[in-house]
This record gives sequence, C-alpha cells and structure tokens, in this order.
Amino acid sequence: GESVGLHLPTLSVQEGDNSIINCAYSNSASDYFIWYKQESGKGPQFIIDIRSNMDKRQGQRVTVLLNKTVKHLSLQIAATQPGDSAVYFCAESSGFQKLVFGTGTRLLVSP
Amino acid sequence: DTAVSQTPKYLVTQMGNDKSIKCEQNLGHDTMYWYKQDSKKFLKIMFSYNNKELIINETVPNRFSPKSPDKAHLNLHINSLELGDSAVYFCASSQGGAPAPLHFGNGTRLTVT
Repeated sequence: GESVGLHLPTLSVQEGDNSIINCAYSNSASDYFIWYKQESGKGPQFIIDIRSNMDKRQGQRVTVLLNKTVKHLSLQIAATQPGDSAVYFCAESSGFQKLVFGTGTRLLVSP
Repeated sequence: DTAVSQTPKYLVTQMGNDKSIKCEQNLGHDTMYWYKQDSKKFLKIMFSYNNKELIINETVPNRFSPKSPDKAHLNLHINSLELGDSAVYFCASSQGGAPAPLHFGNGTRLTVT
C-alpha cells in the first residue's frame, strides 16, 4: 500500500545553519510531491512542490530534491531562522488529487 | 480575506451527541477536502468533493456525512460522537485537473468527553 514516512521525528539546528528534512515514500506510481509547514494552532501551509519529471526545484531559501530511484524526497532550508520552527510534512500523490501525508518532522531552530 | 475558513475553531461535546463543522473557501477552487489529524500529528484524508460531487471517501464510518451545497462550501456532520473522534479536522481546497497544492484552513479541534 501507499506510505510516506520521515527518518527524523525532530531536527534541532542553530539559526543560520542549513536544514535538511528527509522523506521516504513507497508508491512508485506517485507523480507529485509536496512539502508543507505547520505551525502550532494552524493548518498546513504550502512550501514547495515537485513533479516526478523533475529532480530538483528551488524556491526562496528552500530546495526540494527528488530521487525516484530510491524513492526519497528532501527539503533543504538555507540559513534557517527561528520563524522556520514548525512541523514539516511531505506528501505524495498518484492522481485524483489525493495527497498521502508522511508522519511529520519537527524542526527546532535555536537563536 | 481568509482563503479557507472553518467554524468553529474549538468544539467540546459529549459522547453520543451530533455536531457539524462548516467550511468555506473563497479561492474559486472546484475541489474541497476534509482531513483528520490525530494526536500524533498524522494527517489522513477523509473525503473529497469536486464540484459538489463526492470523489474520495476513505473508509470513514458512516457516522460522518459530508455535504457540499455548492463548490465553495463543504460541511461535515458527525452523528453519535465517540471518544476516538477527538482530533483536529482540517478543511482544504484545490483546483482540480493537474496536481496542485491544497490550501488548508486552520482546523477545528474536536474534543469528545
């Protein structure tokens, strides 16, 4: 069946460091991947997405890498700031707009 | 100018009661969803509607009944509430067709006592 998981439940970094959050997925038919940020008391907020015909996509301070060979997805955050502290989710879809979410990684950024 | 709004934000009720959660989106999207987030933060899809038509129903007990009066609204009615229904329920919307990000509301925290 489909499953999306994360290697690290909590990631602690210093302000200014680069952060890398990893995600493994098992459905080889997935063709769309997305990262969300969830702050306390709020809904998930879109960060960046990538389609399976790409292996890298960059946004503002964020980069998503997709390795379809090993079914691995990562989110890189450059110059991490205290405001980046949140729970990060990867999600994948194989169609019908059904997003399957991973279990989440908590990112803690200390000043 | 909230894009996806749901009410109420908090809902505390007793077992056996019936309750509803409302959701509205002003993004002009044609697809709406309900997701459930448990105490471990795991997000799981419950339902999806496209232009008022149910397209995803993920083995949710039939005590849960979504209703979409128009494509900007998707409400969730829950009958005979149980302790295990306690969770945060998120409404979301997206534009159908090609894969696109879902836009989430800020959730309704349901506590069943």
